[in-house]
Amino acid sequence: TQLLEQSPQFLSIQEGENLTVYCNSSSVFSSLQWYRQEPGEGPVLLVTVVTGGEVKKLKRLTFQFGDARKDSSLHITAAQPGDTGLYLCAGLFGNEKLTFGTGTRLTIIP
Amino acid sequence: DTAVSQTPKYLVTQMGNDKSIKCEQNLGHDTMYWYKQDSKKFLKIMFSYNNKELIINETVPNRFSPKSPDKAHLNLHINSLELGDSAVYFCASSRQTGTSQYFGPGTRLTVT
Repeated sequence: TQLLEQSPQFLSIQEGENLTVYCNSSSVFSSLQWYRQEPGEGPVLLVTVVTGGEVKKLKRLTFQFGDARKDSSLHITAAQPGDTGLYLCAGLFGNEKLTFGTGTRLTIIP
Repeated sequence: DTAVSQTPKYLVTQMGNDKSIKCEQNLGHDTMYWYKQDSKKFLKIMFSYNNKELIINETVPNRFSPKSPDKAHLNLHINSLELGDSAVYFCASSRQTGTSQYFGPGTRLTVT
């Protein structure tokens, strides 16, 4: 069974600060997705990374896929209260099922 | 228009009852899923259907039975509900297996 560990589990920072969230596995992913989930709603896809070493940017969010395709990071620059939410990484193994990470609950304090 | 919709949004019921949750997607996707999210927010896949055929069936008690009447619908029926079934259940869909998934708003099930 593939396991995706996210760290930190909880993160609370001041508006304007930078932060990084990590997603690690001992298995190689076909691809990796990042989702954000707000209270009372379903997860919403932010990005998909496929190639080892790939970097994608979404405004103030930067996503990186590890060279070996076993890990990924999400960096947020100048965090804003609207960034508050549960961030989930999800790895695709063998093009079948998506395995979700343990989640990072991010709170941005105004 | 809502892409993936679920009904009901909230469901409170007693142990031993049977209940169903419905899901519909209007995205024209071939693949649909059911996930369970526990109190620690861990999201785990339960079932996956592709073109109305079951392709993923995780180790879920056989009290849970999915039904896909057509590509746009995937319903979840639960028999003999137990306290441990309390969770948020999410339906999702994707164009095909392995592509980006779109989630519904979730159904919060509380078993008392």
